[in-house]
Amino acid sequence: KAGVTQTPRYLIKTRGQQVTLSCSPISGHRSVSWYQQTPGQGLQFLFEYFSETQRNKGNFPGRFSGRQFSNSRSEMNVSTLELGDSALYLCASSLEQGEGREQFFGPGTRLTVL
Amino acid sequence: GQSLEQPSEVTAVEGAIVQINCTYQTSGFYGLSWYQQHDGGAPTFLSYNALDGLEETGRFSSFLSRSDSYGYLLLQELQMKDSASYFCAVRDGTGGFKTIFGAGTRLFVKA
Repeated sequence: KAGVTQTPRYLIKTRGQQVTLSCSPISGHRSVSWYQQTPGQGLQFLFEYFSETQRNKGNFPGRFSGRQFSNSRSEMNVSTLELGDSALYLCASSLEQGEGREQFFGPGTRLTVL
Repeated sequence: GQSLEQPSEVTAVEGAIVQINCTYQTSGFYGLSWYQQHDGGAPTFLSYNALDGLEETGRFSSFLSRSDSYGYLLLQELQMKDSASYFCAVRDGTGGFKTIFGAGTRLFVKA
């Protein structure tokens, strides 16, 4: 069974630009979560989607948005990029929502904002 | 809100036992998970506790006390390959489900 895939793996942008990151979950998984990881900060929760609905959102500005499609694939968008948005963006999928015991992570997209 | 506390760094020798503690604060607690992340890699799931007690999976065990809002990960017979970051994470149902991660504990295993 293929794992979680994320594209692109690396991205370099400049301040003020926008970016769209993509995540394809494991086949059959309907829940997708997004996290931002920076050194020393752990994983900061961005969003969780289930069956095309955003179930929860973390404490990030409105420049961060996302969506989930009917095939469970998900995208997140960051507009008006700032230097502080440089981070590893991780996507994770799980079979169901609710208790959500185990999440399977993709390799991440490394975003650098210059 | 939600918060998790875990030590930033732990050092141990090969073959030893190490315990990584995690305390949490949340109003909608469902369960506590542990993840391992090697440098340059993605986090991988280790264990999940929804009820009080000890869960054992090979060399790794995880414990939860809901009344104390406390859990720990126990790693036995440490190997060099266990050098990694370990994250505790709370599954929270407040305002809709989400998983909140701690800042991570960096484990260094020495020969």
